[in-house]
Amino acid sequence: QQKVQQSPESLTVSEGAMASLNCTFSDGTSNNFRWYRQHSAKGLEVLVSIFSDGEKEEGRFTAHLNRANLHVSLHIREPQPSDSAVYLCAVDPNTNKVVFGTGTRLQVLP
Amino acid sequence: EAAVTQSPRNKVTVTGGNVTLSCRQTNSHNYMYWYRQDTGHGLRLIHYSYGAGNLQIGDVPDGYKATRTTQEDFFLLLELASPSQTSLYFCASSDRYEQYFGPGTRLTVL
Repeated sequence: QQKVQQSPESLTVSEGAMASLNCTFSDGTSNNFRWYRQHSAKGLEVLVSIFSDGEKEEGRFTAHLNRANLHVSLHIREPQPSDSAVYLCAVDPNTNKVVFGTGTRLQVLP
Repeated sequence: EAAVTQSPRNKVTVTGGNVTLSCRQTNSHNYMYWYRQDTGHGLRLIHYSYGAGNLQIGDVPDGYKATRTTQEDFFLLLELASPSQTSLYFCASSDRYEQYFGPGTRLTVL
């Protein structure tokens, strides 16, 4: 069964500094990898979906996927205090049973 | 953009109580899901469905029933609620590429 681990558990950065979040998974044959943002136990907002090895950018959010290394990362350029939230990595094996990581809590200080 | 709504947003019940959580999506997605979110566990799949009248077992189904009455409506039923079911519950619907989440229902079982 797919296992998804996120690191770090929490991260504090200053406004404007790059924030980097990591996600490792156990099965690289999955089709789709997503990053979500969740503000204070509210709904999940999809930030980036990535299907192929390499990089995908959506505004200030960039995902890097390396299936061989079982790793997908999220980089947030010029983070703002409003980006303070929990970030969830999701691995979709295309079986409709998406597996989520436990999240990274990001705090952006003004 | 997909719209997923949940009701109620907050619910308090007692041990042994009967609870129904409701979810409606308005984008005619075939797949709908119920998750629970708990600290340290991330989102865990309870049940899901690929159409009216269909139900599939998720990863943590014990103590939960679900019913998909129409394309739009998916219900989660707790017939004998227990304190271990205190959690934040999310409904989602999906097309081929993305899951769209509702705002969540916070359930407290005393």
